[in-house]
Amino acid sequence: SAVISQKPSRDICQRGTSLTIQCQVDSQVTMMFWYRQQPGQSLTLIATANQGSEATYESGFVIDKFPISRPNLTFSTLTVSNMSPEDSSIYLCSEQGPRGYTFGSGTRLTVV
Amino acid sequence: GDSVTQMEGPVTLSEEAFLTINCTYTATGYPSLFWYVQYPGEGLQLLLKATKADDKGSNKGFEATYRKETTSFHLEKGSVQVSDSAVYFCALSGNDMRFGAGTRLTVKP
Repeated sequence: SAVISQKPSRDICQRGTSLTIQCQVDSQVTMMFWYRQQPGQSLTLIATANQGSEATYESGFVIDKFPISRPNLTFSTLTVSNMSPEDSSIYLCSEQGPRGYTFGSGTRLTVV
Repeated sequence: GDSVTQMEGPVTLSEEAFLTINCTYTATGYPSLFWYVQYPGEGLQLLLKATKADDKGSNKGFEATYRKETTSFHLEKGSVQVSDSAVYFCALSGNDMRFGAGTRLTVKP
């Protein structure tokens, strides 16, 4: 299975600022996914990112709030923009490889 | 759309007790089914999976069988340990991965 390096692992941010989360995969993958896990909740899909096209967002998530980049087949970023305390969550990236899905270790974001 | 319904927790068991966490799914097509585990303070880890009907996934003493007739993928373990305390997520993959709500398991000595 692919290995995903995600960073930062955690951050504490001021409200109104933005944070960019990076995921690096050790092999080329077509589809990458970004999830949010709010405290005590399950994972919710934010968007699907394919290289060379705009990300596809799930209901309730918009590009202005969560812009995503996918410049090549091994890398993706998610930005959480204009943060508020409600954005405090764990954010995870994932890739769909031939053996199934692999997840990054997550970014624990706290907005104060 | 595709979805997963998972039994609500929390579940508290004594060591060596039998564990069942129920999971049912709704899907068009023939998804693969997964159980993920999240230990305290850690990321998500794949526990086991099954890719077609009647397949049984197993790992670390945990088992789950893909039952198409009942659209279920219940997680079982015959004798739980304190180290099994974690949150367990049932999931299915179609065009993307969909997760259940998670079940928190606490095993007491």
